[in-house]
Amino acid sequence: NAGVTQTPKFQVLKTGQSMTLQCAQDMNHEYMSWYRQDPGMGLRLIHYSVGAGITDQGEVPNGYNVSRSTTEDFPLRLLSAAPSQTSVYFCASSNPPGTARNEQYFGPGTRLTVT
Amino acid sequence: AQSVTQLGSHVSVSEGALVLLRCNYSSSVPPYLFWYVQYPNQGLQLLLKYTTGATLVKGINGFEAEFKKSETSFHLTKPSAHMSDAAEYFCAVSSGTYKYIFGTGTRLKVLA
Repeated sequence: NAGVTQTPKFQVLKTGQSMTLQCAQDMNHEYMSWYRQDPGMGLRLIHYSVGAGITDQGEVPNGYNVSRSTTEDFPLRLLSAAPSQTSVYFCASSNPPGTARNEQYFGPGTRLTVT
Repeated sequence: AQSVTQLGSHVSVSEGALVLLRCNYSSSVPPYLFWYVQYPNQGLQLLLKYTTGATLVKGINGFEAEFKKSETSFHLTKPSAHMSDAAEYFCAVSSGTYKYIFGTGTRLKVLA
């Protein structure tokens, strides 16, 4: 199993540009999520999905869009990049909640810089 | 609402000394609790988790944590620090739903 994969690893954007961060998992997990990590702030949830066709907002959703057309893929779109979106982005997937197998598996991250 | 507080954004210990990283949580329902480790330029890796049952949980790399409901704590310990333990550690809580709340992290430095 490859687990959770993310592309690209690094990206530099200019203000106003758009792009899509890719995330895929091969563990057949229903739940997937996107976090951003900023110094001193831990991980903050951007958007999450509990299955194909179902998405919802997290703590910091503004400026980001998601869709979930398949169980495997959960792309994150930046509509019009801003310097405040400079961050490290992590995708995660998990087993069903409320069970002993409940845990999140994280991808390696995408380091995004917006100039 | 749930929340997680990690006391100490930076902790330094000598090699061979006890490691103690503190985590307190707030949850209105029985929590699921997690500790993750992040090495430089990598993603998060699960160290250990508490779901139900035994309150002392053993994880990878010699780490363990004890769920103390009365103190709303889930502190992470390791009897003897190793240089390879230098990393950032995150405590997280879930109410058994799909939402996880993470603490702000504790960066552990191990001194030779």
